[in-house]
This record gives sequence, structure tokens and C-alpha cells, in this order.
Amino acid sequence: GEDVEQSLFLSVREGDSSVINCTYTDSSSTYLYWYKQEPGAGLQLLTYIFSNMDMKQDQRLTVLLNKKDKHLSLRIADTQTGDSAIYFCAESIPRGYSTLTFGKGTMLLVSP
Amino acid sequence: ETGVTQSPTHLIKTRGQQVTLRCSSQSGHNTVSWYQQALGQGPQFIFQYYREEENGRGNFPPRFSGLQFPNYSSELNVNALELDDSALYLCASSGGSGGSYNEQFFGPGTRLTVL
Repeated sequence: GEDVEQSLFLSVREGDSSVINCTYTDSSSTYLYWYKQEPGAGLQLLTYIFSNMDMKQDQRLTVLLNKKDKHLSLRIADTQTGDSAIYFCAESIPRGYSTLTFGKGTMLLVSP
Repeated sequence: ETGVTQSPTHLIKTRGQQVTLRCSSQSGHNTVSWYQQALGQGPQFIFQYYREEENGRGNFPPRFSGLQFPNYSSELNVNALELDDSALYLCASSGGSGGSYNEQFFGPGTRLTVL
């Protein structure tokens, strides 16, 4: 079945690295995503990784995928107060059309 | 390049009423997906439209219906509104000449409150 789990809350200091973790259950996931949602706003696609990759780096963002353990993480280097938001992990499972199954989101709070 | 837009931004309805939400897809995208995000939850997939046809559907009752138009814009209709329909409704577009089917770009959402 499809289930995406995330820790609910993470608090860091400005300048530190943040690591947000996610686990998923469906081994047929093809792509795994990280989205960011600021208060009152829609979802912003941050990055995504194909399931046959282990790592993807994009500026301050590093995505690590452990397919054996079905574990995905997002590392944000040099976290800034503007990074405070809710971060959603999502998986895409091939079923003739492309849709996303989301976790409940991790609220990241960055303090000065 | 114009991003995904949704209207209205906020809406208040009463139980039993009907509502129509609108979405304009990003330029070049031909696929629109609708999601419901209840407070404190992640978005849940409602359905997807591709070239004016429903392409896939999540676990939502038939009173949730939709349309896609030749310009790829889309509507979400909800009949017989219930209190639990109160949520943020998000539209996402993808695919076509403007992008990949693996990248869904979201609009700002419509906040629906049912009293």
C-alpha cells in the first residue's frame, strides 16, 4: 500500500544544516519529491530524484535516497530564516497516470 | 511564462450547496491534477485530467467532478457540500510541450470553508 511518513517538526538555528527525513512503503515508486509550502501558499517543487539514484545535489539542497530501506532525506545547508516552512515528501507510483502521494509534512522552524 | 493560477482565492459556502473552483495551467502544460489539503495534512489526490478526459481518480465520491477545456484550463465541481469538504484545494499542471509529466507545478490554492 501507499504510505509516506515524516516527522512533524524540526527546529534549527540559522546557519546550521537541516535534515528532514521521510519513509515510504511502496517499492514501485519511480520518483520521490520534496515540496515546500509557506503559510497560506501553494506547494513549491524544490527537487526530485529518480528511484535508481542514490543522491542528488542542487545548490544548498542534497537529497539522499536509500531504496532498500525506503528512506528519503532532504538536507538544507546553511539554513536561513526564509527556509522556515512546511516540507512535504511525496512519491509517484506508475499506474497509467502520474500522481503524487504526500506525507503530512515537516514544519521547519529556523531561529536567528 | 505564466504559472498555475486558481480562482477564487477564498470561498465560504453552506452545507448542501455546490461550488466550482477554477484553474489555469502553466503555459504549455496539458495535464491538470486536483488535490485536497485538509488543515494539518498533506494534499490528497482527487483526480487528473489529460486532454479533456479524466485520466485517473483518487478515493473521492462522485459528487466531486471536473472538467478540462481545450485550452487545458480546468474546473473542480463539488455538489452537496459537507463540513468535511472545508480545505485548501490545489491544482497542479504538468506535461505537454511546456514540461515533464514527472514535474507537477502547483497553484496557490482555493481556501473553501463550509459552514
